[in-house]
Amino acid sequence: DTGVSQDPRHKITKRGQNVTFRCDPISEHNRLYWYRQTLGQGPEFLTYFQNEAQLEKSRLLSDRFSAERPKGSFSTLEIQRTEQGDSAMYLCASKPGQGVNSPLHFGNGTRLTVT
Amino acid sequence: DQQVKQNSPSLSVQEGRISILNCDYTNSMFDYFLWYKKYPAEGPTFLISISSIKDKNEDGRFTVFLNKSAKHLSLHIVPSQPGDSAVYFCAAINDKVIFGPGTSLSVIP
Repeated sequence: DTGVSQDPRHKITKRGQNVTFRCDPISEHNRLYWYRQTLGQGPEFLTYFQNEAQLEKSRLLSDRFSAERPKGSFSTLEIQRTEQGDSAMYLCASKPGQGVNSPLHFGNGTRLTVT
Repeated sequence: DQQVKQNSPSLSVQEGRISILNCDYTNSMFDYFLWYKKYPAEGPTFLISISSIKDKNEDGRFTVFLNKSAKHLSLHIVPSQPGDSAVYFCAAINDKVIFGPGTSLSVIP
């Protein structure tokens, strides 16, 4: 169990550029989640996958955001035409598919700064 | 609409004393609750959980209490240690995990 891995740890980009983040979940975990956290707030749900299927997307996830998990393993989160309001910590988490109440295991996040 | 609330943004406690972190929720359909701990520059780490069919769960120095009628839960840490200084998030499970805004705990040596 190497834990949830996220890359990069930090990303600074200029407004209008596209960025992509990667998440590698714990290998036996079927469910993968993306959350966003801003200062003074708790993590806010963005979307989640069961294997390769994206099962739910938050209304926070505008059409500039897209997430994929093509082979049911790693996932990517892309933000197109970034805005300063996108600056946040983007957290990925995973958990086994069975046991709806099992806790999420989080990665250390990708901190995005849009200048 | 914030479904999970932590009304104290920060808390300071002397080492060795009890820390009590509070959480309120609005959705009576929540049936499982968790506490996470977060250090700077790290992701949240699961600490302890409680099912809605229980009113108490204990794990070492950490105890979570649930009052369903009041839609309130609390995390007790005793004795508090400087290494407990972190942000604590209360969370509830619907079909996904919903987090409160967090309480920053400082344990003073």
